[in-house]
Amino acid sequence: DIVMTQSPLSLPVTPGEPASIFCRSSQSLLHSNGNKYLDWYLQKPGQSPQLLIYLGSNRASGVPDRFSGSGSGTDFTLKISRVEAEDVGTYYCMQGRQTPITFGQGTRLEIK
Amino acid sequence: VQLVESGGRLIQPGGSLRLSCAASGFTVGNNYMNWFRQAPGRGLDWVALIYSGGTTAYADSVKGRFAISRDSSTNTLYLQMNSLRVEDTAVYYCGRDGAGGGNWGQGTLVTVSS
Repeated sequence: DIVMTQSPLSLPVTPGEPASIFCRSSQSLLHSNGNKYLDWYLQKPGQSPQLLIYLGSNRASGVPDRFSGSGSGTDFTLKISRVEAEDVGTYYCMQGRQTPITFGQGTRLEIK
Repeated sequence: VQLVESGGRLIQPGGSLRLSCAASGFTVGNNYMNWFRQAPGRGLDWVALIYSGGTTAYADSVKGRFAISRDSSTNTLYLQMNSLRVEDTAVYYCGRDGAGGGNWGQGTLVTVSS
């Protein structure tokens, strides 16, 4: 199974400041078709998860452009250029390169 | 695009339950569709996947007990759950493949307890 490791697990951020969340996979998520099978989800308190980034760097429909994703085959980063109060919640990375599909432990972002 | 899960309830260990996920705004059969779950206070876990071609895959923890399926006539995804265990207690979400839109439903709570 591919193990996904996120850091940090807790992230206090001042509004207006940038934030980064890291995700490392135990195996490469790069497919021979050139796609990197890594998605980022945000689960706001009391809600179901919502897709932010798919295939490593593609912003999902309706996601603000302050969110961006990047990464190589095993190391990925989610960046928020300027954190807003509505960004509070738990962020998860998820690999879809092979089954079983696996998630990182989650990073809880809170506002200072 | 909308996904609406239903069918969750309190059930005794060893029982069976079928969850439904009604989709609108897209065709279930043209997408990779998943079931995920989240135990109380825990992170996200993948349960099962059905590819657009009909092939299925399961987490080891549910293999042989759960079955994912779909009905094209009603555009609905299902999860048949048999031999339920206390550790299957969770909110169950259906979800569309990320590259296909990554939409998730609101979830349905399954509680396995005597």
